[in-house]
Amino acid sequence: DSGVTQTPKHLITATGQRVTLRCSPRSGDLSVYWYQQSLDQGLQFLIQYYNGEERAKGNILERFSAQQFPDLHSELNLSSLELGDSALYFCASSARLAGGQDTQYFGPGTRLTVL
Amino acid sequence: AQKITQTQPGMFVQEKEAVTLDCTYDTSDQSYGLFWYKQPSSGEMIFLIYQGSYDEQNATEGRYSLNFQKARKSANLVISASQLGDSAMYFCAMREGPSGTYKYIFGTGTRLKVLA
Repeated sequence: DSGVTQTPKHLITATGQRVTLRCSPRSGDLSVYWYQQSLDQGLQFLIQYYNGEERAKGNILERFSAQQFPDLHSELNLSSLELGDSALYFCASSARLAGGQDTQYFGPGTRLTVL
Repeated sequence: AQKITQTQPGMFVQEKEAVTLDCTYDTSDQSYGLFWYKQPSSGEMIFLIYQGSYDEQNATEGRYSLNFQKARKSANLVISASQLGDSAMYFCAMREGPSGTYKYIFGTGTRLKVLA
């Protein structure tokens, strides 16, 4: 158990709909990253938040948005869903290793299926 | 150009043998980090091992070791004494950029199958 929680585990919805994915980082971690993993693909970085502020943006579509709240949990909002949005969405929080370098610990993911 | 390249889409290894998963990277940063993650069929991403660009010794974590060759820009994962439970997808990743705005870039993965 990485300490990062994500809800829901599975989500099935229809095209055109809007969903919200939720993530709680490890205790003490201020950074949250969101990734999309389509079938048999690597991870595509979507967006990063640090202590409530957006820090970096990757290949995130305009239909997608995210925010990080004062309690540090984060939500990823996906709207006008298309079939191609079906994927595993991961949240990761950043932690400092013993050597002083940062790494990421991943949540279990939310599997989104758009029908 | 690909920042992280994993050239082996799939690998087989016999149980109890060692296997090397290849990873090459491309960055102009002096300070960066290299990681390996394991993704079993259940889907979770499990952190395995980390190597910093300034670390002179290769990282080791139990049966995992990272063969870091800086001049060649390679960071291969070596799994010793393979077990059936090692069957999974393995991703190489790089962290680059200034602190606070780190970017993590992942390779396309190598699917490892351990044979009994």
